[in-house]
Amino acid sequence: QKEVEQDPGPLSVPEGAIVSLNCTYSNSAFQYFMWYRQYSRKGPELLMYTYSSGNKEDGRFTAQVDKSSKYISLFIRDSQPSDSATYLCAMSSPRGHDMRFGAGTRLTVKP
Amino acid sequence: EAGVTQFPSHSVIEKGQTVTLRCDPISGHDNLYWYRRVMGKEIKFLLHFVKESKQDESGMPNNRFLAERTGGTYSTLKVQPAELEDSGVYFCASSPIPGTGTDTQYFGPGTRLTVL
Repeated sequence: QKEVEQDPGPLSVPEGAIVSLNCTYSNSAFQYFMWYRQYSRKGPELLMYTYSSGNKEDGRFTAQVDKSSKYISLFIRDSQPSDSATYLCAMSSPRGHDMRFGAGTRLTVKP
Repeated sequence: EAGVTQFPSHSVIEKGQTVTLRCDPISGHDNLYWYRRVMGKEIKFLLHFVKESKQDESGMPNNRFLAERTGGTYSTLKVQPAELEDSGVYFCASSPIPGTGTDTQYFGPGTRLTVL
């Protein structure tokens, strides 16, 4: 079993839709949870960063962490074509240097 | 502020040849990481430097891979001799020294390595 599971998609939505991206994990030592966005031929770019459980909101993006279920989510409201990218979840223990990635979900937002 | 840069952006070599990838981290970032993504798989950790010291190289696939970070600035990752399964995208990331409240890692654009 992989430490981090993420549905690779692809996921296609119309412009303006709410997008929900999810990851599950098995390692209870993970405390830091990240979402990265990666455009084609580019490196991953940090989008959201959450410590432990709870919600975090930044503009149209909301990250949720449910440690009891070992489940994290990223919601994108009012999705735009410019949001089309691959979204990678990542997580690490308090050591911080043992980051594990999901496979990435490829999202397309159609105008 | 300049981000993490990597060179070359793409390298095509034949099996058995040697390739050296370079990463220039964000200035002042003591932590430098190498990752690899092979086709269809997730990004996987290779190793971690703090300044010039290797902190964790548990992800290095085998002894054909050699990473260095002389002087604690840029880093190189050498593959010698390259095998077909080494093909993939090699990412470098850097982060500030611990104690800043975050271990946010900033990624470079990656080097796409193709071994024929």
